[in-house]
Amino acid sequence: NAGVMQNPRHLVRRRGQEARLRCSPMKGHSHVYWYRQLPEEGLKFMVYLQKENIIDESGMPKERFSAEFPKEGPSILRIQQVVRGDSAAYFCASSRETGGNTEAFFGQGTRLTVV
Amino acid sequence: AQSVAQPEDQVNVAEGNPLTVKCTYSVSGNPYLFWYVQYPNRGLQFLLKYITGDNLVKGSYGFEAEFNKSQTSFHLKKPSALVSDSALYFCANKAAGNKLTFGGGTRVLVKP
Repeated sequence: NAGVMQNPRHLVRRRGQEARLRCSPMKGHSHVYWYRQLPEEGLKFMVYLQKENIIDESGMPKERFSAEFPKEGPSILRIQQVVRGDSAAYFCASSRETGGNTEAFFGQGTRLTVV
Repeated sequence: AQSVAQPEDQVNVAEGNPLTVKCTYSVSGNPYLFWYVQYPNRGLQFLLKYITGDNLVKGSYGFEAEFNKSQTSFHLKKPSALVSDSALYFCANKAAGNKLTFGGGTRVLVKP
């Protein structure tokens, strides 16, 4: 059973370009979460999705950022018109259920560098 | 508001000595506490969790954590540290809505 798969592992974009980050959850998991880790900081929650639905996007910046988790295919975190401050590691996690005793499994992350 | 604090940015310990990584929490309602470890350029790996029940929780790789309600703490411990335990450790609380609130992380350096 493969773990949470994220691609690409590393992504370099020039300012103003778009970045698309992909996350395939573990088999049987229908809950996906995106977190951002700025250099030397902890992880900050961005968005929580369940198949075709955004459940909680309270951590998403109001502009330029969007996320989706379609019925078929991976979850996508999209950043439009990237700026240097978007440089960070973006982690995706998935879980089978939502109970308090359910742990989330994390992918290896996508490291975005904006030049 | 939910918050998790890790008061130490870095912990240095000699191999074979006990390791403690501190975590305190401030949550409304019952806490659901987790410890994760992050190795360089890797994702987070789950170590252990406290939901309810015994205050001493045993997890992966010989780690354990003690939940202390009166001190609102959930410190991670290992009786005898290994050089391979050198990594970044995160404490987290799972709030309503299933999202994790992380502490700032503690870098552990185990010296041979």
